[in-house]
This record gives sequence, C-alpha cells and structure tokens, in this order.
Amino acid sequence: SQQGEEDPQALSIQEGENATMNCSYKTSINNLQWYRQNSGRGLVHLILIRSNEREKHSGRLRVTLDTSKKSSSLLITASRAADTASYFCALYGAGGTSYGKLTFGQGTILTVHP
Amino acid sequence: DGGITQSPKYLFRKEGQNVTLSCEQNLNHDAMYWYRQDPGQGLRLIYYSQIVNDFQKGDIAEGYSVSREKKESFPLTVTSAQKNPTAFYLCASSLALYNEQFFGPGTRLTVL
Repeated sequence: SQQGEEDPQALSIQEGENATMNCSYKTSINNLQWYRQNSGRGLVHLILIRSNEREKHSGRLRVTLDTSKKSSSLLITASRAADTASYFCALYGAGGTSYGKLTFGQGTILTVHP
Repeated sequence: DGGITQSPKYLFRKEGQNVTLSCEQNLNHDAMYWYRQDPGQGLRLIYYSQIVNDFQKGDIAEGYSVSREKKESFPLTVTSAQKNPTAFYLCASSLALYNEQFFGPGTRLTVL
C-alpha cells in the first residue's frame, strides 16, 4: 500500500510549545504533501515537498523528507490554540498502479491548550 | 471569489435510492477528485479526473459513478449498490495531477 502511517495518532501540547508529527511510507514517491483539517471541514493544503527535496519552510511550518528512511516530519513551532486540528500526510507514488492517486494517512489529532 | 463548492452540506437518503453530490470549481483546474472520509479516518479516493471527458477509478469506486462533461463540474452519484454509503464526501481540484489539491467544504451523507 502507498498509504503513509502517521505518528503519533494524537498529540496534546501547551500554547507556545513545538509540535512534531511524523509520517512513514513504504514505496518510492513523487512528492509528499501535508494537509490540515478542522473538525467537520474540508482540508487545507500546507506544504508539498518533492522527492528530490530535503526540507521546506512555510511560516511556522517546517517539513523534512528523508527518502532513504522513507519518512517525513512536520514541525509546527510556537503553536497556538488555533492550530488545533487534524494533520494528514498524503503521498503521490512514483508510478505504476499508483499513477494519479494521492494517498492519505490516518492523521494526527493535535490539541493545543491555551 | 475563486474556489470549490459542494452541495448540499447535509444529505439524507433512504436505502435503495441513488443520490448525486454536486462539486463545482472556478479555479480553472484540469484535475478533480472525490474522496470519502469515515469517522477518525483518513481520506480514500473514489474517482479522479485528469481532464474533461476522462475519469479513472480510485481505490473504492464500487457503488459510485461520476461524469466530467464540463471542466468546472464533477458530480458524484452514490448508487444503491454502495453497501455502506453513510460518510463525509470531499471533492477536490488541482491544476494537474501531482499538484497541491484544493478541497471543498464537504457533503455529509446519511442513509436512513
């Protein structure tokens, strides 16, 4: 399966702390993406990182990709209560039967306490 | 405003009935997608369309059908053959395959 596996399943922190979520996968990828979902809403794209990239930043977000370990991490620095949401990694496989299919992990539920 | 819309937000259906979920985008995107999300789970791909008049099955296409007659529209029909249709359905679009996807607000379907 192309599906990413996320760790931890749930994370509870205080405002101001950093939050780190991890995603591991089993096959070669074209790119890996991170999305956020507030309860009962649609998803919002956060960052896309290609297989030949190692790190990307966007505001308080930092994503790393280690293709040798087949893993990625999302770091949210100086978290805020408004960051409370579910975070999903999603990956595009490198081809074959996975062509055109973005496969989502089960998600990490992040709760940031004021 | 550019965006992707889904209607209705909530939908109730009796067993044995077909129902069609609407998805429209004005982002001029070529690719569109339908996903299903069950409680506490990630998204699973039902169908996707790379371009008008073309669509491909995703991982859970059984019991669903789609059409892509216009670039802006990608309706999903949940047929009576879908054994467990109660779920949250999300539509998305992207400039092309492999790009970031933009999601609609979702339709919550409940079968009574």
